[in-house]
Amino acid sequence: DTEVTQTPKHLVMGMTNKKSLKCEQHMGHRAMYWYKQKAKKPPELMFVYSYEKLSINESVPSRFSPECPNSSLLNLHLHALQPEDSALYLCASSQRTGVTDTQYFGPGTRLTVL
Amino acid sequence: GESVGLHLPTLSVQEGDNSIINCAYSNSASDYFIWYKQESGKGPQFIIDIRSNMDKRQGQRVTVLLNKTVKHLSLQIAATQPGDSAVYFCAENNNAGNMLTFGGGTRLMVKP
Repeated sequence: DTEVTQTPKHLVMGMTNKKSLKCEQHMGHRAMYWYKQKAKKPPELMFVYSYEKLSINESVPSRFSPECPNSSLLNLHLHALQPEDSALYLCASSQRTGVTDTQYFGPGTRLTVL
Repeated sequence: GESVGLHLPTLSVQEGDNSIINCAYSNSASDYFIWYKQESGKGPQFIIDIRSNMDKRQGQRVTVLLNKTVKHLSLQIAATQPGDSAVYFCAENNNAGNMLTFGGGTRLMVKP
């Protein structure tokens, strides 16, 4: 089973709203990731959690706040977003096996900021 | 900085033909490469991977070739089907904090 689930599938929010994206995996993976993907572009890494601790923050604005409640769950809290933040937000997970660590992606949340 | 890139943004092939998608990488220290397939409205799906100590790896209808001399990676799809239509990304794992570097992507269009 290589399934990563994400909710919601679609989200429309105003610039003053607060919302959260959720990600879940039950593969026993110890690393989880958030990516942002704009149309016709490759995914861009935002955050990496390794063993439930934030290990990488790719200079992401503070209006994006990640949270890892446990080894299976990853959240992305959104506040005061801008229209240019509209994108597909992808969650991924991996086993942390070193060189051959493979990331498995969820279906994404399509976010539109009005 | 170093990056992984692709030669062709769009590839159009006839159903039943073989497809070849190419990728150039610049980090000679890269040790692991992955090909992902991304269909419209979906997340990237793992297809096949290869370590730098190999030059070829085969899966079901797919083959990945690695040429470390010229830092080139390719994905070959045999007997291409309409369901193969998608954007294909190569990615490099630099093993530094579990970061993947993606190429720009190639759109494969299969004509019936």
